[in-house]
Amino acid sequence: SQKIEQNSEALNIQEGKTATLTCNYTNYSPAYLQWYRQDPGRGPVFLLLIRENEKEKRKERLKVTFDTTLKQSLFHITASQPADSATYLCAPSTPGGSYIPTFGRGTSLIVHP
Amino acid sequence: DTEVTQTPKHLVMGMTNKKSLKCEQHMGHRAMYWYKQKAKKPPELMFVYSYEKLSINESVPSRFSPECPNSSLLNLHLHALQPEDSALYLCASSLRTGDSPLHFGNGTRLTVT
Repeated sequence: SQKIEQNSEALNIQEGKTATLTCNYTNYSPAYLQWYRQDPGRGPVFLLLIRENEKEKRKERLKVTFDTTLKQSLFHITASQPADSATYLCAPSTPGGSYIPTFGRGTSLIVHP
Repeated sequence: DTEVTQTPKHLVMGMTNKKSLKCEQHMGHRAMYWYKQKAKKPPELMFVYSYEKLSINESVPSRFSPECPNSSLLNLHLHALQPEDSALYLCASSLRTGDSPLHFGNGTRLTVT
């Protein structure tokens, strides 16, 4: 069956450093992959979408890579700030005609001042 | 504030009650979704509407009944729920199904007593 894996442990980093979050998926090949941010008690907020034919996507301090051979996506936040502290969810598209995103359990990022 | 509005924000209901959750968007999106999220778990897909027609039902128990009266509104009717149904219910919309990012509301926190 399809499986999405994100680091279950919280990632603690110092302000100004680059945070790197990992998303691994198994047993399928998503057509695209999305990353969302979720704060406690709120709905997820879309950050970036990368397609299977794209290696890398950037938006301001955010960068996503997509390695279809390794079946892995990396999400980077450069010059991290305490306000970046949140849970980050990886959402590869499911196979089949509808391509609805399926969410990983997320990685909690804590940026210390 | 998000562009997807969910009401109510909080709901407490008994197991014999009937209640409804409401979701509204005015972005012209033609796909709308219901997700369920338990604490420290990822959002789980329940239903997808595409052009006001139910396109996906993820084997959700019949005590949850979705309705899409028009392209801007999505309801979730609840009846005879169980305490284990207590969760955050998230509504989302997207331009279409497939590779369109999801826009989430902030959810309805449901407690079943």
